Amino acid sequence: ETGVTQTPRHLVMGMTNKKSLKCEQHLGHNAMYWYKQSAKKPLELMFVYSLEERVENNSVPSRFSPECPNSSHLFLHLHTLQPEDSALYLCASSQDRSSYNSPLHFGNGTRLTVT
Amino acid sequence: AQTVTQSQPEMSVQEAETVTLSCTYDTSENNYYLFWYKQPPSRQMILVIRQEAYKQQNATENRFSVNFQKAAKSFSLKISDSQLGDTAMYFCAFMNLWDGSSNTGKLIFGQGTTLQVKP
Repeated sequence: ETGVTQTPRHLVMGMTNKKSLKCEQHLGHNAMYWYKQSAKKPLELMFVYSLEERVENNSVPSRFSPECPNSSHLFLHLHTLQPEDSALYLCASSQDRSSYNSPLHFGNGTRLTVT
Repeated sequence: AQTVTQSQPEMSVQEAETVTLSCTYDTSENNYYLFWYKQPPSRQMILVIRQEAYKQQNATENRFSVNFQKAAKSFSLKISDSQLGDTAMYFCAFMNLWDGSSNTGKLIFGQGTTLQVKP
């Protein structure tokens, strides 16, 4: 039990498909994050939610649509993606946003392949 | 803008030996935080060690220690008595103190160093 659970673990989708990534945290944290991890590139912060309110949208294309229905769940809705969107998508949570004493806890990620 | 650079894409070490992973960063801020995260094949990122910039004493967590050189903006990770379970990708990360503005509180990662511990 990692505390942060992501499903599915792997996802292959066509460019015209619509799919969703799910993240659930069992830690009672107030902030949740989506990161994109591409090969040979630093992790890129995509979205930040704090107390279910989106507080950060890091210039992410609109084909990625986040949703945070409550403080325990975070979704990333995907539609009309491009092959370059293939990556590992990591969800993370923290007790509070951006505190040294509130480090990020990550899930195992969803490996997304866009064909 | 802050940047984090890890100049060693891949490294290897023999079991029980010591290895040092390098990390440099660029910032004009004086107060910030630095972290090392580990990502094993399971893909889950795990916090290894953290350092507050205003503390001169290097952080230590069991076999993991850092060499923090603030003037040189260097934050290397030393792993002593390497174990097979240390095989992973290691990420150095930087965070400004949170002041409520959009440019603070973000965790900025380096490109990562893949470490292979050999038996």
